[in-house]
Amino acid sequence: NAGVTQTPKFRVLKTGQSMTLLCAQDMNHEYMYWYRQDPGMGLRLIHYSVGEGTTAKGEVPDGYNVSRLKKQNFLLGLESAAPSQTSVYFCASSSRLAGGGNNEQFFGPGTRLTVL
Amino acid sequence: SQQGEEDPQALSIQEGENATMNCSYKTSINNLQWYRQNSGRGLVHLILIRSNEREKHSGRLRVTLDTSKKSSSLLITASRAADTASYFCAKTSGSRLTFGEGTQLTVNP
Repeated sequence: NAGVTQTPKFRVLKTGQSMTLLCAQDMNHEYMYWYRQDPGMGLRLIHYSVGEGTTAKGEVPDGYNVSRLKKQNFLLGLESAAPSQTSVYFCASSSRLAGGGNNEQFFGPGTRLTVL
Repeated sequence: SQQGEEDPQALSIQEGENATMNCSYKTSINNLQWYRQNSGRGLVHLILIRSNEREKHSGRLRVTLDTSKKSSSLLITASRAADTASYFCAKTSGSRLTFGEGTQLTVNP
């Protein structure tokens, strides 16, 4: 049981390049999330998904796209990277909580992205 | 501004002392969660308290929730050097969590 895995762990891009970050979970969770974390700050939600084939915008969605074609995978794409997207990206997954609300989230180890 | 604001931003204590971190929020919640993050790692869930609960314990952790004041506190008793980390509260509303900016706890041996 690997939990939540992310690839790659590190990446350096030049401005204007594109890339895709992959998140995979083996816990059969319905919900999946992409966050970014900047130095000294908490996590900000980029996009999320409440089920296969569905996605929704979070707090800071501009410049990113996502897809959830399979329940276990959630992809985050940067079409044209900008230096402002230099950050650490975390994927998380969770199950629904009976009675409403989000159950505990399980986080991947993060992807450290630098855009030059 | 982000929901789930932590206070203090940084806390430095000696091993064996208790550490208290506070979290405030603005709108109604389903539950409130606390997470821990060691430097360079992902977040790890510590405890979840539902909106109809007032206090919850887990080992050396004690969480309280006051919905009338829209605030929560995390108490770590008998702290250890290994407790050094950032601690975040996260408000749950529907399928989303909103994180605060965290409290950096340093426990000195």
